[in-house]
Amino acid sequence: QSVLTQPASVSGAPGQRVTISCTGSSSNIGAGYDVHWYQQLPGTAPKLLIYRDIIRPSGVPDRFSGSKSDASASLAITGLQAMDEADYYCQSYDSSLRDVVFGGGTKVTVL
Amino acid sequence: EVLLVQSGAEVRKPGESLKISCKGSGYSFPDYWIAWVRQLPGKGLEWMGVIYPGDSDTRYSPSFEGQVTISADKSIRTAYLQWSSLQASDTAMYYCAKTYSSVWPENFEYWGRGTLVTVSS
Repeated sequence: QSVLTQPASVSGAPGQRVTISCTGSSSNIGAGYDVHWYQQLPGTAPKLLIYRDIIRPSGVPDRFSGSKSDASASLAITGLQAMDEADYYCQSYDSSLRDVVFGGGTKVTVL
Repeated sequence: EVLLVQSGAEVRKPGESLKISCKGSGYSFPDYWIAWVRQLPGKGLEWMGVIYPGDSDTRYSPSFEGQVTISADKSIRTAYLQWSSLQASDTAMYYCAKTYSSVWPENFEYWGRGTLVTVSS
């Protein structure tokens, strides 16, 4: 059981908007620690997608956006494309565990 | 261009030792943390630990403390992950990753391609 909870899967048709939630607690996201998001395409290494809650690294399309409220964060993908089929992970820090924590990952399927 | 080049796939028997490596280039190696992340077959990402090559400050996840050793040699811009006695349950892909800044905790901005470790009798 991951400290950060993500849905196992989400799906959407091309062009649609999907969101992935990342639910934490008062010792991690709720304590104000940054949330970061990674995309892992099949058979490849993870790639930083969103950092410090809302910032996109250079080269990441603006179809990807992050948000945070209280002890939860979300990743939104608008204008869903076939190339977006991947696993997505949120990451933060937990002060009680003194541990970097990842969500369990969400598989995005484009219908 | 920032690159993290990891050593090649390894096959070992249970009880054997192993040291895998991660060589950084394209940035000031001593000034950024290098983390190790495990991914079991078909599973998610698990943070194992991190090292700051500048002063070898090392932090371990409680889940991995005592199970592995993280080290670095800044003179050759290389970080290491080692086991003294492998188990079949260590079979996984291992990634190294460089942090975005010298602050800890931080996100992992650049990743190596991974080293597949297979432990089987």
